[in-house]
Amino acid sequence: DAGVTQSPTHLIKTRGQQVTLRCSPISGHKSVSWYQQVLGQGPQFIFQYYEKEERGRGNFPDRFSARQFPNYSSELNVNALLLGDSALYLCASSWASGNTGELFFGEGSRLTVL
Amino acid sequence: GIQVEQSPPDLILQEGANSTLRCNFSDSVNNLQWFHQNPWGQLINLFYIPSGTKQNGRLSATTVATERYSLLYISSSQTTDSGVYFCAVERYGDSWGKLQFGAGTQVVVTP
Repeated sequence: DAGVTQSPTHLIKTRGQQVTLRCSPISGHKSVSWYQQVLGQGPQFIFQYYEKEERGRGNFPDRFSARQFPNYSSELNVNALLLGDSALYLCASSWASGNTGELFFGEGSRLTVL
Repeated sequence: GIQVEQSPPDLILQEGANSTLRCNFSDSVNNLQWFHQNPWGQLINLFYIPSGTKQNGRLSATTVATERYSLLYISSSQTTDSGVYFCAVERYGDSWGKLQFGAGTQVVVTP
């Protein structure tokens, strides 16, 4: 079975641009979470979606938004990119509904902002 | 928020050696996971272990939730064990889906 898949794997943007990252969860998983990992640090929680509704939000500015589609895939959008948005963006899925449950991560999308 | 402290921050091992990684957390949790991040950035699930003891091959983990710590044991280490090991927890009552990661332990296994 396919794991969590993310696209694109690498991308380069310039300051002020907008970016959309995509994630497909493991088949049967209805929950998707997004994390940002800056070089040298642990991942930081951005959003969690379950059944197309936002169920959790981390301490990120409104430039960050996400949505989940009826097939449970998800998109993360970041507007007005800053140099500090350069990071590895990780998507995770789980089947659990009442709490986080066991998370399984994709390989990530590495964003570089110039 | 909940604090997650991992120790040691760095660990250099000779192939075949055993080691213990520790994760301390500051509040009650309902989820604890150990991950291995390989050099390409992929986070690999090692254990989902909010309490108790589990073993998987050369790796084992123990979480003592009442004392707020977890241990990851690596036995007979191999060069493929190199990478960063993360502990991540979800605090009771926190935002749904919010795993708080520690800073990680960087492990280097030399031949």
